[in-house]
Amino acid sequence: EAGVAQSPRYKIIEKRQSVAFWCNPISGHATLYWYQQILGQGPKLLIQFQNNGVVDDSQLPKDRFSAERLKGVDSTLKIQPAKLEDSAVYLCASSLGTGSYNEQFFGPGTRLTVL
Amino acid sequence: AQSVSQHNHHVILSEAASLELGCNYSYGGTVNLFWYVQYPGQHLQLLLKYFSGDPLVKGIKGFEAEFIKSKFSFNLRKPSVQWSDTAEYFCAVPPGGSQGNLIFGKGTKLSVKP
Repeated sequence: EAGVAQSPRYKIIEKRQSVAFWCNPISGHATLYWYQQILGQGPKLLIQFQNNGVVDDSQLPKDRFSAERLKGVDSTLKIQPAKLEDSAVYLCASSLGTGSYNEQFFGPGTRLTVL
Repeated sequence: AQSVSQHNHHVILSEAASLELGCNYSYGGTVNLFWYVQYPGQHLQLLLKYFSGDPLVKGIKGFEAEFIKSKFSFNLRKPSVQWSDTAEYFCAVPPGGSQGNLIFGKGTKLSVKP
């Protein structure tokens, strides 16, 4: 079974630039999550999708972050403009459905460095 | 709001030593609890989980965790660690409701010396 795919794996940009990350979940997984993991901390949820609808985006900094999952499959997370404090690993995860009974499977992450 | 704390930032053990990593969550009621592990260069993956029933939960690779409701704890244990257990370990709990997302602790880095 193919896992969660993410690209790029690494990205270095300067502050105020824009960046986009892509995630392709496990086939058949309806729920998709984006987490931000800052160095020395655990992952923090940014946004959760159920198919192509948003379930929870309460912790997404909407002035600069946006995410979409237009066809209910792959997803894009964008930062525009980036700040120094956005340096982190951005993790995508997917699960069969919502509810904590559904195991989340994580991708390898995209490591973003903002200079 | 629900929160989770892990008390040990970095634990260094020799092979064959016993391991216990602490995890506490902030409030009770019905709670689901998880331990995730991230081996060097690998994805975050589920180690074990507790939903209900027997408070002693067994996971992969000889790990177990005990849910103690009165102490709001879900500590991870392994009787004898191996060099291959070197990894970062995260305790996680749902924030409440039914969305399924998770609140993670800050993680504990385990280094096992051969």
